[in-house]
Amino acid sequence: DAGITQSPRHKVTETGTPVTLRCHQTENHRYMYWYRQDPGHGLRLIHYSYGVKDTDKGEVSDGYSVSRSKTEDFLLTLESATSSQTSVYFCAMKEGVAYGYTFGSGTRLTVV
Amino acid sequence: AQKITQTQPGMFVQEKEAVTLDCTYDTSDPSYGLFWYKQPSSGEMIFLIYQGSYDQQNATEGRYSLNFQKARKSANLVISASQLGDSAMYFCAMREGRGTSYDKVIFGPGTSLSVIP
Repeated sequence: DAGITQSPRHKVTETGTPVTLRCHQTENHRYMYWYRQDPGHGLRLIHYSYGVKDTDKGEVSDGYSVSRSKTEDFLLTLESATSSQTSVYFCAMKEGVAYGYTFGSGTRLTVV
Repeated sequence: AQKITQTQPGMFVQEKEAVTLDCTYDTSDPSYGLFWYKQPSSGEMIFLIYQGSYDQQNATEGRYSLNFQKARKSANLVISASQLGDSAMYFCAMREGRGTSYDKVIFGPGTSLSVIP
């Protein structure tokens, strides 16, 4: 009954290929976020969205783009994957002021 | 510049003892929120506790409490009566820009907690 799901859960891709990760929510929340998690860095914000077609960059946005054509879907695209983009990617949605974010289960991406 | 600092990469605590995980933050936004998340080895992110910058009292949720010292810009997590299931990574996070187009949460690097039987 998760309100937010990510796909795929695991992916291996080759350097130089484009990759799209999908985040889908069923809660009609306005705000959605993409993070990457790497050892020693915690979670770093890549891009976020504050509404349909309203997106902005986070702290590590180079090499990534996003799209949000409808409330429930937030797509993250690696335009030309590099080995430095090997990471675990988390999508999140904002539940409310005092409830933090609800996270998806994560996508483990390996770029070879 | 690092906005969330967690100076303890790893911590050990004896089962049933209390433990404090440190977090300091930096912001110029007068309205902000502080969070703690737990990430067990299974990988999911679990929300634990929230403290708003205008809240007068420290937040508590069961065995978790947040020691909020606004002037020092610290938001330490206290876990009482540690259990083996508390072994996990713990992330401190801060939210700025509430309700604006830049409403976002940033995370610290995390502290790995190991509970010893």
